[in-house]
Amino acid sequence: NAGVTQTPKFQVLKTGQSMTLQCAQDMNHEYMSWYRQDPGMGLRLIHYSVGAGITDQGEVPNGYNVSRSTTEDFPLRLLSAAPSQTSVYFCASSYADTILMNTEAFFGQGTRLTVV
Amino acid sequence: AQKITQTQPGMFVQEKEAVTLDCTYDTSDPSYGLFWYKQPSSGEMIFLIYQGSYDQQNATEGRYSLNFQKARKSANLVISASQLGDSAMYFCAMREGGSGNTGKLIFGQGTTLQVKP
Repeated sequence: NAGVTQTPKFQVLKTGQSMTLQCAQDMNHEYMSWYRQDPGMGLRLIHYSVGAGITDQGEVPNGYNVSRSTTEDFPLRLLSAAPSQTSVYFCASSYADTILMNTEAFFGQGTRLTVV
Repeated sequence: AQKITQTQPGMFVQEKEAVTLDCTYDTSDPSYGLFWYKQPSSGEMIFLIYQGSYDQQNATEGRYSLNFQKARKSANLVISASQLGDSAMYFCAMREGGSGNTGKLIFGQGTTLQVKP
């Protein structure tokens, strides 16, 4: 099993450029999420999805778009990159379980994005 | 609103000793889950241990145990017999349970643990 695969691992963008961070999972997980990690702030939720065709905003959604056309894929789009979006981005997935919650989130390897 | 607080930005421990990493949480939901993740310098997120709000016993996984004190809203991670490979950042996280479970995790700020030889 590949688990959660994120691409690219590293990216440098110029201010104003757009790009898509890819995330794919092969575990048939219903739930997928995007987080950003900044020093001293832990991981903060950007957007999440509970299934194909369903997405919602997290704590810090501004400047990002998502879509979920399939169970496997959950791409994150930066519309017009800004230096404040310099961060490490993680994609995560987990099973949907409303009874037993011991369903850990599996994380991708992360994408280190620098906006200059 | 849900919140996780880790008050120890950095900790040191001598190899082979035990160490406790603090985590307090705040939620009005009676159904929730608490997780600890390890992030080594290579950057990946590694799941360590889980505690459900209705679990009667403290969770244990090998050298990791979770000291769950529900009334105090604390979920401290205890690492016994520390090893050099335990040096990493540790995150406490919480997720709503029951019908509120959407897979979203709320993270604390993290604690950097350094194990001294």
